[in-house]
Amino acid sequence: KQEVTQIPAALSVPEGENLVLNCSFTDSAIYNLQWFRQDPGKGLTSLLLIQSSQREQTSGRLNASLDKSSGRSTLYIAASQPGDSATYLCAVLTRNAGGTSYGKLTFGQGTILTVHP
Amino acid sequence: GAVVSQHPSRVICKSGTSVKIECRSLDFQATTMFWYRQFPKKSLMLMATSNEGSKATYEQGVEKDKFLINHASLTLSTLTVTSAHPEDSSFYICSARYQGLSAFFGQGTRLTVV
Repeated sequence: KQEVTQIPAALSVPEGENLVLNCSFTDSAIYNLQWFRQDPGKGLTSLLLIQSSQREQTSGRLNASLDKSSGRSTLYIAASQPGDSATYLCAVLTRNAGGTSYGKLTFGQGTILTVHP
Repeated sequence: GAVVSQHPSRVICKSGTSVKIECRSLDFQATTMFWYRQFPKKSLMLMATSNEGSKATYEQGVEKDKFLINHASLTLSTLTVTSAHPEDSSFYICSARYQGLSAFFGQGTRLTVV
């Protein structure tokens, strides 16, 4: 059974800092790994998706890396801003028990990020 | 990117009544949609997988008679919480796969049962 763990559970930083969020997963047989952002009471916004064959993806100030063999991913946020404050969720897509094509997305618990002005 | 619309965003209902939540893929066809439940300060828990034209696949521990899922078209899946009770109060989120393996999520529905 796939398990996804995110560290730290919460992070509070001053504006401008570079920061790293960590995600680990137990089953390395994944299709892809996706990082999401969730604002309070809202749905999920996809930030970055890394295919299992890729090592990293970048979008603006965000960079996500994937080391499938060790079961780890990191999300790097450069020059953090108060608007980055949100919960960040990592999720991995693995083959479900029936082996059907749609797979199963397993989420970590999330990291609550607060960026102070 | 792909857009998934969920409605309503908030609903309050009386205990014992049923509530329907809609999930629509606005600009693509989704043969498979997913329904999640999220408890306060917790992560998302997959409830069921909704397959267009066939029965939904429920995760272990999820009551299929309690949470009715219908996926009648390639752009619409519905979740009906039947005979709702206060313990069903939660945040429900749907998602749809786009271009194979990318997941896009609706805005979520906050259900409060009083």
